[in-house]
Amino acid sequence: AQKVTQAQTEISVVEKEDVTLDCVYETRDTTYYLFWYKQPPSGELVFLIRRNSFDEQNEISGRYSWNFQKSTSSFNFTITASQVVDSAVYFCALSAPNTGFQKLVFGTGTRLLVSP
Amino acid sequence: DTGVSQDPRHKITKRGQNVTFRCDPISEHNRLYWYRQTLGQGPEFLTYFQNEAQLEKSRLLSDRFSAERPKGSFSTLEIQRTEQGDSAMYLCASSLYRGLHTEAFFGQGTRLTVV
Repeated sequence: AQKVTQAQTEISVVEKEDVTLDCVYETRDTTYYLFWYKQPPSGELVFLIRRNSFDEQNEISGRYSWNFQKSTSSFNFTITASQVVDSAVYFCALSAPNTGFQKLVFGTGTRLLVSP
Repeated sequence: DTGVSQDPRHKITKRGQNVTFRCDPISEHNRLYWYRQTLGQGPEFLTYFQNEAQLEKSRLLSDRFSAERPKGSFSTLEIQRTEQGDSAMYLCASSLYRGLHTEAFFGQGTRLTVV
């Protein structure tokens, strides 16, 4: 079975602070995909990144960066110089071969509040 | 707008009534998914289609729930005899499958409130 844990329920920061959102996953599969989605108040889940299990290279996209560590089963997400527009709920998710990679298993999300 | 579109955005219904939601995926996307999200939780998989074929249904999808994608384009999700526990956000997503897994793109969801 697959499981995703986002232990941080809510994080509050002041604009321009850096913030890291933690994600720990569980799977017995050697091939899997990890994702981060952003859910603003409008409700739509916005795709941020997909990473396959064979690619442990960290990725940076503007103010966003992701740290994938298979040794600790973690896929953490850092926002540098946070902005008010970053306020949202962020979900980490996993897909694996036993579902044909069709089902996303989500964590419970981390609500990020960025105040001016 | 070429994203995933869901209608209605909000629905309030009385317990025991039937409701139907519609999802229009991104054109040319052959896979369509339904998820349910309750307050404070992440989305939970309900079912998915490849073209018009429904290929998997979660145990969460009781007999009161039915989903269709008759022509491999838009999809409908119907809930019969609604219960208060059905109150949730129903999210639709689509993806283009060509033998390799790709990311799913989500709509804004339909928020259902059963009173």
